[in-house]
Amino acid sequence: RKEVEQDPGPFNVPEGATVAFNCTYSNSASQSFFWYRQDCRKEPKLLMSVYSSGNEDGRFTAQLNRASQYISLLIRDSKLSDSATYLCVVRGTDKLIFGTGTRLQVFP
Amino acid sequence: DGGITQSPKYLFRKEGQNVTLSCEQNLNHDAMYWYRQDPGQGLRLIYYSQIVNDFQKGDIAEGYSVSREKKESFPLTVTSAQKNPTAFYLCASSIPGGASTEAFFGQGTRLTVV
Repeated sequence: RKEVEQDPGPFNVPEGATVAFNCTYSNSASQSFFWYRQDCRKEPKLLMSVYSSGNEDGRFTAQLNRASQYISLLIRDSKLSDSATYLCVVRGTDKLIFGTGTRLQVFP
Repeated sequence: DGGITQSPKYLFRKEGQNVTLSCEQNLNHDAMYWYRQDPGQGLRLIYYSQIVNDFQKGDIAEGYSVSREKKESFPLTVTSAQKNPTAFYLCASSIPGGASTEAFFGQGTRLTVV
């Protein structure tokens, strides 16, 4: 089993749609969690950290369920500019583990 | 400006040659990482270092080597033993441990072996 697994993509959604990504992790000792965004042929950039109580940043909401060992990212009112690959990242005791990413394509 | 710099951005090498990718950071981060990304794939961990003069193998270390002689620098050597070295290589740094210690990435090096 992979240490971090994500929804298979791609997700093709119209502008204005709500889309949700899920990610599961295998190590119950994992300490912190993030969502990164990666544009084509660019480096990943932090989208948001994920806190135990859940957190929101504008149209983006992240949630963590430690009991079930999964994290989620909800994007509301999708924009064309949201088209990218979204990477789930989990920090263990000494390293960062990336999921394979989920590609989102928002169309007009 | 603080940041993490990888060089060169594009690198071409002949098959069988060793090549070293540079990664420098001035963020005063203790932890540094090297990842490999193939087209349409996620990031796979090659090597990581939590402190100067110490590093550990990641999931795909075979055919690669690193050094960590200075806190700021974590060069990656792609050796001739790496069977399929053409890929996008990303270096990252972070503060080890902690609750919100995200990683910061360099812009990456695209290595093409011909």
